Amino acid sequence: NAGVMQNPRHLVRRRGQEARLRCSPVKGHSHVYWYRQLPEEGLKFMVYLQKENIIDESGMPKERFSAEFPKEGPSILRIQQVVRGDSAAYFCASSLTEGPSSYEQYFGPGTRLTVT
Amino acid sequence: KNQVEQSPQSLIILEGKNCTLQCNYTVSPFSNLRWYKQDTGRGPVSLTIMTFSENTKSNGRYTATLDADTKQSSLHITASQLSDSASYICVVRRTGNTGKLIFGQGTTLQVKP
Repeated sequence: NAGVMQNPRHLVRRRGQEARLRCSPVKGHSHVYWYRQLPEEGLKFMVYLQKENIIDESGMPKERFSAEFPKEGPSILRIQQVVRGDSAAYFCASSLTEGPSSYEQYFGPGTRLTVT
Repeated sequence: KNQVEQSPQSLIILEGKNCTLQCNYTVSPFSNLRWYKQDTGRGPVSLTIMTFSENTKSNGRYTATLDADTKQSSLHITASQLSDSASYICVVRRTGNTGKLIFGQGTTLQVKP
């Protein structure tokens, strides 16, 4: 029973390149969340997606960042034209459903992005 | 402003000793409060989840308390082990359907032999 899987675990990009981070939720989970953890800081919510829909992207920077969760395949967090400030750990979490009785989120191991 | 503050920022204790970590929050409206353990280089793992009506919840050697009136929570670790060395994060969820979690900065615990 695999948990949340993220790849790559480590990603190095030069300034101006694109970074693609992948997240496969727990089997059967249809809700995915992305969080960012800057060095020495707590996790910050970025975006919440259900299959083929963005539900809440209030934590996502307005430019260069996008996320998707297609009907088939993993969720993708895409960062275009990366800058040094994008260096962080990006965590994905998934949940079975959303609502008072099903609120447990399971986290993946994270992708550590380094921009040089 | 919706915030979660934790103290202390870091803590060193000897193996076998007990410790208590604190969490104060100003998140409103409140849905539930969680404590997570995050090992270095790993994702957070849930320890406990408490709703408004729950005062205490245990998970093995971990016991969390919640005072919704004063908006305070604590995590007590009993008979610490070397494997308890990690960051402990207090997380609060607001009511609503987005599932957005608000994270504290964590307390880094180091257990020494």
